[in-house]
Amino acid sequence: GDSVTQMEGPVTLSEEAFLTINCTYTATGYPSLFWYVQYPGEGLQLLLKATKADDKGSNKGFEATYRKETTSFHLEKGSVQVSDSAVYFCALRHSSYKLIFGSGTRLLVRP
Amino acid sequence: EPEVTQTPSHQVTQMGQEVILRCVPISNHLYFYWYRQILGQKVEFLVSFYNNEISEKSEIFDDQFSVERPDGSNFTLKIRSTKLEDSAMYFCASSPSGGLTGELFFGEGSRLTVL
Repeated sequence: GDSVTQMEGPVTLSEEAFLTINCTYTATGYPSLFWYVQYPGEGLQLLLKATKADDKGSNKGFEATYRKETTSFHLEKGSVQVSDSAVYFCALRHSSYKLIFGSGTRLLVRP
Repeated sequence: EPEVTQTPSHQVTQMGQEVILRCVPISNHLYFYWYRQILGQKVEFLVSFYNNEISEKSEIFDDQFSVERPDGSNFTLKIRSTKLEDSAMYFCASSPSGGLTGELFFGEGSRLTVL
């Protein structure tokens, strides 16, 4: 069945460092891909999405490119801030009402 | 900004007791969902609900679970006889459409602890 695998955390970075959180997926056809973020004490919020191959989703300095050939949707940010500390979830949606989530990656950014 | 609200934020219950988790979705949304996250594990889909009926459910959503939209604003998840393994964070979500590219809007979650 469809599944999402993302790198385990926690990821600890200094402020202004470059961030990559890896995400790969298994699905037939062309799923839509999402990154959700959960800040402390809050619900999951959509960060960005891409709905077809080679699309790039971007928001708040974060980017992810839908790579069909490597079945990946890695999240990147050029310069992280303390306020980016959160848990990041990669997810896909494919021929169904449900989102399939990865296990989440906790990011901790130190000043 | 409209948001999905969930109550209670935390509930502690004894094994075998019934629990009702409540959600108020965003008012013009038509699709409603429950997800759960057992500590340290993935966020898992439980059920989706549209037009006053279940549109999809997972294997987790067995006869112990039920959902209801009793009054046009609330969306509830009932667990009839809780088990220890039901301890988790339960997230409600809503969306304006059911399309594959659409965004789901999540609440902050209700943490259920079964003793």
